[in-house]
Amino acid sequence: DADVTQTPRNRITKTGKRIMLECSQTKGHDRMYWYRQDPGLGLRLIYYSFDVKDINKGEISDGYSVSRQAQAKFSLSLESAIPNQTALYFCATSEMGQSYNEQFFGPGTRLTVL
Amino acid sequence: QKEVEQNSGPLSVPEGAIASLNCTYSDRGSQSFFWYRQYSGKSPELIMSIYSNGDKEDGRFTAQLNKASQYVSLLIRDSQPSDSATYLCAVNQAGTALIFGKGTTLSVSS
Repeated sequence: DADVTQTPRNRITKTGKRIMLECSQTKGHDRMYWYRQDPGLGLRLIYYSFDVKDINKGEISDGYSVSRQAQAKFSLSLESAIPNQTALYFCATSEMGQSYNEQFFGPGTRLTVL
Repeated sequence: QKEVEQNSGPLSVPEGAIASLNCTYSDRGSQSFFWYRQYSGKSPELIMSIYSNGDKEDGRFTAQLNKASQYVSLLIRDSQPSDSATYLCAVNQAGTALIFGKGTTLSVSS
């Protein structure tokens, strides 16, 4: 079984709709991250969480919100989706207390906003 | 603005050759450095980590770090067509989030 899972894997939605992307992990890691990837722009950090009570904005948090429901679950919401949020979204995890911060990625969600 | 720079490529090498991928970073406080491999449409896969100056070898892969020059590289020996992918350099400072370069596309021809 995959250590980091993301649902859905693909989603097509319309402008203005609320969308939730979910991430679950069985690695036992405390830290979780959401990134988006766009052609030519690389991976950009949206939000990250170092434990259930700790949520931090990343480089491009506008238009997104997150919820850390448990150590193993971290959800990303688009409150009112817009076409420029069409991208590949990745969840990642890393171990607490490890200053090196090796991150491990889920399989990704391809989101299309029409 | 902390930055990680990579040549976007494509870098084309024949099968069996050495592929050399390079990365520079702007933040002198960076503490750990990573190379990820990403196949088209797939997620990044961690292939090398390096934390101190010098070389680190793992199979056909060698990572090289020079903190004074703020430079990290990845060498792939005996390149195979299956190595064709985009390689992402990532840099970490003080255990917070990683900063990624935009990636170098490698093409290995048989």
